Amino acid sequence: EAQVTQNPRYLITVTGKKLTVTCSQNMNHEYMSWYRQDPGLGLRQIYYSMNVEVTDKGDVPEGYKVSRKEKRNFPLILESPSPNQTSLYFCASSSRENQPQHFGDGTRLSIL
Amino acid sequence: AQSVSQHNHHVILSEAASLELGCNYSYGGTVNLFWYVQYPGQHLQLLLKYFSGDPLVKGIKGFEAEFIKSKFSFNLRKPSVQWSDTAEYFCAVLRQGSSNTGKLIFGQGTTLQVKP
Repeated sequence: EAQVTQNPRYLITVTGKKLTVTCSQNMNHEYMSWYRQDPGLGLRQIYYSMNVEVTDKGDVPEGYKVSRKEKRNFPLILESPSPNQTSLYFCASSSRENQPQHFGDGTRLSIL
Repeated sequence: AQSVSQHNHHVILSEAASLELGCNYSYGGTVNLFWYVQYPGQHLQLLLKYFSGDPLVKGIKGFEAEFIKSKFSFNLRKPSVQWSDTAEYFCAVLRQGSSNTGKLIFGQGTTLQVKP
């Protein structure tokens, strides 16, 4: 089954404690992306990747890092999380950047 | 700054009513346009997309959208809504030919509540 898998689904942690949210897709997609969803703001793109070792900033990259060492994986790293990064995060992938994206089920992060 | 604007933040309709959700964007070049739906507790799913050609596109579940280039709009419509259409709807724009080709911009979302 074609899917985008995110882990963990839920995480409560404290300010400053580094965390990584993993994202993996099994569709051999070139394009992957991370979004955060906040009430009244819709989805905002954090980072995207057009292919392996190619990443670029979206609209709200501050406080986040990503890497794309393999085609299937695109982890989101919060080196020093802060409360304003409390949000619902979605990973997505598509065969190319202009194709419809497949979304993961989301990761709800709470930073205390 | 590039933006996507959805005018209606919260829409309440009765079953069988007609629906139109507005979406406007600010980029003047070539765009790819999408509408996604997010049912309660679920991830986003594609409703329909426009790349080129016929400006009236049909999607799943009876939804359609019309691209009006002169108005920079891509409004979503459905002639008769059902209770199961209760969800949040997002318009999204991908700019072509820009330095940020992969940057997808979403609108703020419209929450649709359909009363049985």
